[in-house]
Amino acid sequence: GNSVTQMEGPVTLSEEAFLTINCTYTATGYPSLFWYVQYPGEGLQLLLKATKADDKGSNKGFEATYRKETTSFHLEKGSVQVSDSAVYFCASGGGGGATNKLIFGTGTLLAVQP
Amino acid sequence: EAGVTQFPSHSVIEKGQTVTLRCDPISGHDNLYWYRRVMGKEIKFLLHFVKESKQDESGMPNNRFLAERTGGTYSTLKVQPAELEDSGVYFCASSQEIQSYTEAFFGQGTRLTVV
Repeated sequence: GNSVTQMEGPVTLSEEAFLTINCTYTATGYPSLFWYVQYPGEGLQLLLKATKADDKGSNKGFEATYRKETTSFHLEKGSVQVSDSAVYFCASGGGGGATNKLIFGTGTLLAVQP
Repeated sequence: EAGVTQFPSHSVIEKGQTVTLRCDPISGHDNLYWYRRVMGKEIKFLLHFVKESKQDESGMPNNRFLAERTGGTYSTLKVQPAELEDSGVYFCASSQEIQSYTEAFFGQGTRLTVV
């Protein structure tokens, strides 16, 4: 079945450091790919998405590119801030014949220190 | 516009008791989903309503879980009787379109602790 694998955390970085959180997926068909973020005390929020191969999603300085050849959707940010501290979830959804449900990874806790 | 709201935000119950979680989707959203995150693991799909009908309930763990969406508006998820392994965060999400995949908006979640 479809699955999403993302790097385990926690990831601890200093402010202004470069961030990469790896995410790979397995799927039948061609799913859409997402990164969701959960800030402390809040619900899940969509951070960015890509709906087809080679698409790049971007938001708030974060980027991720849909790589069909490596089945990956790694999240990157060039300079993290303390306010980026949160749990980040990679997810896939849709794709040929699939239902509308999202398949999530285990989440990666990011802690950014001043 | 109000987002997806869930109630309660936290619930602590004893094993064997019953708990009912409620989700109010964004107005006009026909699709409503329930998900669960247990013990810091991945967020797992439970079920999907389209209006008042269950479109996909393949993720429901067992028959102690009952989800309803009478009238196609808010939804409830009842756990009866609750077991220790039911502890986790239960998320609700809603989206607008039925035929194509669209962004789902999530609520803050209900943290359920069974002791």
